[in-house]
Amino acid sequence: DGGITQSPKYLFRKEGQNVTLSCEQNLNHDAMYWYRQDPGQGLRLIYYSQIVNDFQKGDIAEGYSVSREKKESFPLTVTSAQKNPTAFYLCASSMTGKNEKLLFGSGTQLSVL
Amino acid sequence: QKEVEQNSGPLSVPEGAIASLNCTYSDRGSQSFFWYRQYSGKSPELIMFIYSNGDKEDGRFTAQLNKASQYVSLLIRDSQPSDSATYLCAVRDPDYKLSFGAGTTVTVRA
Repeated sequence: DGGITQSPKYLFRKEGQNVTLSCEQNLNHDAMYWYRQDPGQGLRLIYYSQIVNDFQKGDIAEGYSVSREKKESFPLTVTSAQKNPTAFYLCASSMTGKNEKLLFGSGTQLSVL
Repeated sequence: QKEVEQNSGPLSVPEGAIASLNCTYSDRGSQSFFWYRQYSGKSPELIMFIYSNGDKEDGRFTAQLNKASQYVSLLIRDSQPSDSATYLCAVRDPDYKLSFGAGTTVTVRA
């Protein structure tokens, strides 16, 4: 079955540590996205990519980095520069085009030790 | 920053009633509009999308769009306890970015 796989489901980060969240899709979607969700709040866009080897900053990119070396993969690194990383991280993908719908992975809950 | 605003919740409705959710957006060039449902601890799932002015119905859900007023709404008819969730309004701007509102939490009372 086609879908979006995020791993791990839960992740703990020590102070000063970089951690990487995985996102893989087998839907042949061109576009991929990373959102952050804090408790009781909506989704805020971190980074997005519409094509391999290209990506753009979203609204809250500081302290995060991404790569898009393969169409099906869009990993997110939370660096030590992100001082408040505790949140629910959601990866999504879609075809490109103004009417295309985003589908989401199951999310990764990141917490600070 | 482009904004998507939703009516503040939580919204509590009795079973069988209509739940009405509202959303306004700031970018007049926005092109497509989506409603997602999110259960606690889960990822959002798409329930409705609308691109043209007017109404769009899908089962118990109706989405309404008024681009002149920059307003989109979602009606849930015959509300069921399983409809209890947070509903997120999402708006796609001309740069293809999808921006989300903060969500409205709906509770359906049995």
